[in-house]
Amino acid sequence: EDQVTQSPEALRLQEGESSSLNCSYTVSGLRGLFWYRQDPGKGPEFLFTLYSAGEEKEKERLKATLTKKESFLHITAPKPEDSATYLCAVREYSTLTFGKGTMLLVSP
Amino acid sequence: ETGVTQTPRHLVMGMTNKKSLKCEQHLGHNAMYWYKQSAKKPLELMFVYNFKEQTENNSVPSRFSPECPNSSHLFLHLHTLQPEDSALYLCASSQGQGDQPQHFGDGTRLSIL
Repeated sequence: EDQVTQSPEALRLQEGESSSLNCSYTVSGLRGLFWYRQDPGKGPEFLFTLYSAGEEKEKERLKATLTKKESFLHITAPKPEDSATYLCAVREYSTLTFGKGTMLLVSP
Repeated sequence: ETGVTQTPRHLVMGMTNKKSLKCEQHLGHNAMYWYKQSAKKPLELMFVYNFKEQTENNSVPSRFSPECPNSSHLFLHLHTLQPEDSALYLCASSQGQGDQPQHFGDGTRLSIL
């Protein structure tokens, strides 16, 4: 069973059409949940860290939230430059476990 | 230069060749990591070094050999690789192995003929 599951696998939005990406996890002792953005041909770029249920972080059009079982990455009024693969990772002990990512395409 | 730099960006090698991947971080971090990224699969952790000491070896085949001469440099030595080893190899660094985020380089795209 995967410890970190991201959904949907792919998402296509029109510019300005808000939506959310989901990351559910099954680790028992969460020590941090991380969101990354990855552009084609590039390494993952760090976005947010969330440590406890109820915590929220925001950056421009992105807002990350955390519950005891999942995290959401809300994208408000996306632009084409928000197109990328968004990766979620959880830390239970000393290492990160990544999900497979959600590929987001925002059309003008 | 800033951040995490990986060289080369692309590498094509035969199954009998020996090559090395290089990673350098300019962030003052003391932990460094090698990951493998294959299509449709999550990032797979390969090795972890903390203050130059290897702390994780995630059941990686011996044809991959890491080296960490200091906290800023990390190498991955490759020999007798298999076609299934073709992937994007990513290096990352962090301040300790605790709760701080890892910062990634742009990777080496490796193709095995």
